[in-house]
Amino acid sequence: GAVVSQHPSRVICKSGTSVKIECRSLDFQATTMFWYRQFPKQSLMLMATSNEGSKATYEQGVEKDKFLINHASLTLSTLTVTSAHPEDSSFYICSARVGGSDTEAFFGQGTRLTVV
Amino acid sequence: GENVEQHPSTLSVQEGDSAVIKCTYSDSASNYFPWYKQELGKRPQLIIDIRSNVGEKKDQRIAVTLNKTAKHFSLHITETQPEDSAVYFCAAKPRGSSYKLIFGSGTRLLVRP
Repeated sequence: GAVVSQHPSRVICKSGTSVKIECRSLDFQATTMFWYRQFPKQSLMLMATSNEGSKATYEQGVEKDKFLINHASLTLSTLTVTSAHPEDSSFYICSARVGGSDTEAFFGQGTRLTVV
Repeated sequence: GENVEQHPSTLSVQEGDSAVIKCTYSDSASNYFPWYKQELGKRPQLIIDIRSNVGEKKDQRIAVTLNKTAKHFSLHITETQPEDSAVYFCAAKPRGSSYKLIFGSGTRLLVRP
């Protein structure tokens, strides 16, 4: 299957700093990528849809100025958590799909963010 | 928007028994329903999916059924094995041009040897 690579896998940062997470499609082009947040023992909550060459579409309740998304190329989307706070600590995971709308979504390995 | 509910939240079965996980969705126009398995510390991986024009799909020990009228779909795992232990998520693709998926809350399956 297609490969989605996410980096870093773990990051610890201080409160008030910003953290960038990268999501790459390694063997296919992805015009659309998705960013999810997963709390311990909970579901995948869709945060935003990243669109190549245009603005991201954020889900209701997700602060666009807090979670900056950039999708500058067909293989890379980045999520920047700005002015991080301890409550931003979570597992962030991206996904991308190959082809049409009802095809398999491939996930990155996720990023464990800890804000201290 | 689309809302997906999943039950049960935890499920414990004896090895060899069957396991059934159920999901309901709210958007009648949703047309794609995948199931993902997530092992501890790993990424979710697709195990089976079904489209709205199909009522049932089977792949070896795994099957999914879809009832469009009732807006629910179920995952069936037969002859469970300890390696089936994981968290399972159902999802639905809501109407519109976006390819996004809305996930259920997950079911933690434990298969006891």
